[in-house]
Amino acid sequence: DSGVTQTPKHLITATGQRVTLRCSPRSGDLSVYWYQQSLDQGLQFLIHYYNGEERAKGNILERFSAQQFPDLHSELNLSSLELGDSALYFCASSVRTGANTGELFFGEGSRLTVL
Amino acid sequence: AQSVTQLDSHVSVSEGTPVLLRCNYSSSYSPSLFWYVQHPNKGLQLLLKYTSAATLVKGINGFEAEFKKSETSFHLTKPSAHMSDAAEYFCVVSAANYGGSQGNLIFGKGTKLSVKP
Repeated sequence: DSGVTQTPKHLITATGQRVTLRCSPRSGDLSVYWYQQSLDQGLQFLIHYYNGEERAKGNILERFSAQQFPDLHSELNLSSLELGDSALYFCASSVRTGANTGELFFGEGSRLTVL
Repeated sequence: AQSVTQLDSHVSVSEGTPVLLRCNYSSSYSPSLFWYVQHPNKGLQLLLKYTSAATLVKGINGFEAEFKKSETSFHLTKPSAHMSDAAEYFCVVSAANYGGSQGNLIFGKGTKLSVKP
């Protein structure tokens, strides 16, 4: 158990809808990262928050947004969903900001299916 | 730009035989390299990391990897495979050294390891 909690584990929705994925980082971790894993694109970095502030953006679509709250949990909002958004969405956390200074602890992911 | 290439999408070994998962990287700088493992229906877990210290890096569960700058490789090995090693393995480079966003890990496509009894 990594200590990172993601909910829901599975989510099925329709095109055009909006969903929110939630992540609770390990106790004491200030950084939260979101990754998307799909069959065609593999694992891709979406966005990074540190102590409530956005620190970096990767290949995140404009239809997607995220935030980190004062209690350090994070939410990833996906709107106007398309079939191609079906994927496994991972949250990861770390104490510090730099991935190369330490390991990232990954949750078990939220599997989104868009029908 | 930095990248990693995992040379095999699928490797199959017998239990008790050596494991070799190959990874080549592309970088203009000395990279930070990692191997992560993903067991079915689980999140990713760090196996080991290289951050310009010793070139031979030991990780968890008996895995190790050797950084070879001349070959731009970071292959993952284990002397004797166990059934519990069956999983998908990802070679990863950090973009943080290149002025890229900290936390931006660039993942290879993954190598699925099967272990036969």
